[in-house]
Amino acid sequence: QVHLVQSGAEVKKPGASVKVSCKVSGYTLSELSMHWVRQAPGKGLEWMGGFDPEHGKTIYGQKFQGRVTVTEDTSTDTTHMELSNLRSDDTAVYYCTTSGEDTALAAFAYWGQGTLVRVSS
Amino acid sequence: QSALTQPASVSGSPGQSITISCTGTSSDVGAYNYVSWYQQHPGKAPKLVIYDVDSRPSGISNRFSASKSGDTASLTISGLQTEDEGDYFCASYTTSNSWVFGGGTRLTVL
Repeated sequence: QVHLVQSGAEVKKPGASVKVSCKVSGYTLSELSMHWVRQAPGKGLEWMGGFDPEHGKTIYGQKFQGRVTVTEDTSTDTTHMELSNLRSDDTAVYYCTTSGEDTALAAFAYWGQGTLVRVSS
Repeated sequence: QSALTQPASVSGSPGQSITISCTGTSSDVGAYNYVSWYQQHPGKAPKLVIYDVDSRPSGISNRFSASKSGDTASLTISGLQTEDEGDYFCASYTTSNSWVFGGGTRLTVL
């Protein structure tokens, strides 16, 4: 069973960067393909980026290209998502998610609890 | 990549069946059998209820079923229960090796 625990809520000013963490347990990070999805208040889910095992690299959503960076620390089984040049419309709950131990599963079976990032001057 | 199109809301009475549609394009829903559906209750993380168009994860009730025809996928919930109330999102893998979600559908059980 995969368990994902995310870092706490953040408040940032416009133009700043935020780094959200997601610690994996139950499996090692290297066994999983991790993704990041966000949800603005009252809005739908939006895929930001994640690891594509077929191509062996992290793919980013076009909307976030150049502003988002996903990194992995296999020594602590923690993945990080950093979003730069924050705007007010980046205010959202950010989730880490994964298909789990079956990396061939094309779906997001496990989710972190979410991290609220509020961007306000 | 534009979001997949879902109706904003659907409703039904306990015991009835409802269907939620999810329309994409030949670059996402129509390209692969990698459509999944998620249930979300207020303040909670999404929960996977359908993957690979019509497969249910372990522990998901067989009241949840799904299908796909062309660029449109559908989720049907039969024998509606009050606990089914919430938001439902579809998602699809795309030909750009990315993922796209639907805008979400609010299900109200009257």
